[in-house]
Amino acid sequence: SAVISQKPSRDICQRGTSLTIQCQVDSQVTMMFWYRQQPGQSLTLIATANQGSEATYESGFVIDKFPISRPNLTFSTLTVSNMSPEDSSIYLCSVRQVGDEQFFGPGTRLTVL
Amino acid sequence: GIQVEQSPPDLILQEGANSTLRCNFSDSVNNLQWFHQNPWGQLINLFYIPSGTKQNGRLSATTVATERYSLLYISSSQTTDSGVYFCAVERTGANSKLTFGKGITLSVRP
Repeated sequence: SAVISQKPSRDICQRGTSLTIQCQVDSQVTMMFWYRQQPGQSLTLIATANQGSEATYESGFVIDKFPISRPNLTFSTLTVSNMSPEDSSIYLCSVRQVGDEQFFGPGTRLTVL
Repeated sequence: GIQVEQSPPDLILQEGANSTLRCNFSDSVNNLQWFHQNPWGQLINLFYIPSGTKQNGRLSATTVATERYSLLYISSSQTTDSGVYFCAVERTGANSKLTFGKGITLSVRP
């Protein structure tokens, strides 16, 4: 299975600022995803990070709020822009090969004041 | 989209007891996974089981795809089994997108 790391592991941010979360995988993977887990809730898919092209966003998520980059097959970033307290969540990077098992990173715990 | 229902929503066990967690889904799937989220938030892969039965130590899982459900069995529960158990499915033709159930919160008491 792939080893996934995320930075930062946690952060406390002020309203109106932006935070960029990094996801690094120890091997090349076909697919990378970003999920959000709001307090006490399940996981919701934000977008699929596409290498070399714009991410594919799920309903309710937009590029201006959650810009994503994926420059290669082992790295991706998610930015949470113009944050509000409602953005306080755990953000998780996830990877898989097509037709295979999916794995999750350790998550980034974000608190917005 | 596909609906994923997990039951029961909460479960309290005495250490050593056995339990069965259920996941129902509303459409055909080509991927089903069970995860355990520990108190630190880490999602741990338990089973990748789109069909059939698998066992790993005290845990086992069965998916009956034709009847659209999966079961996770925990035997001789331990306090370290506490946490949230998620079932996640990929609807056939859904471009590898996993949809999660709401989870089952398990508390194992010593």
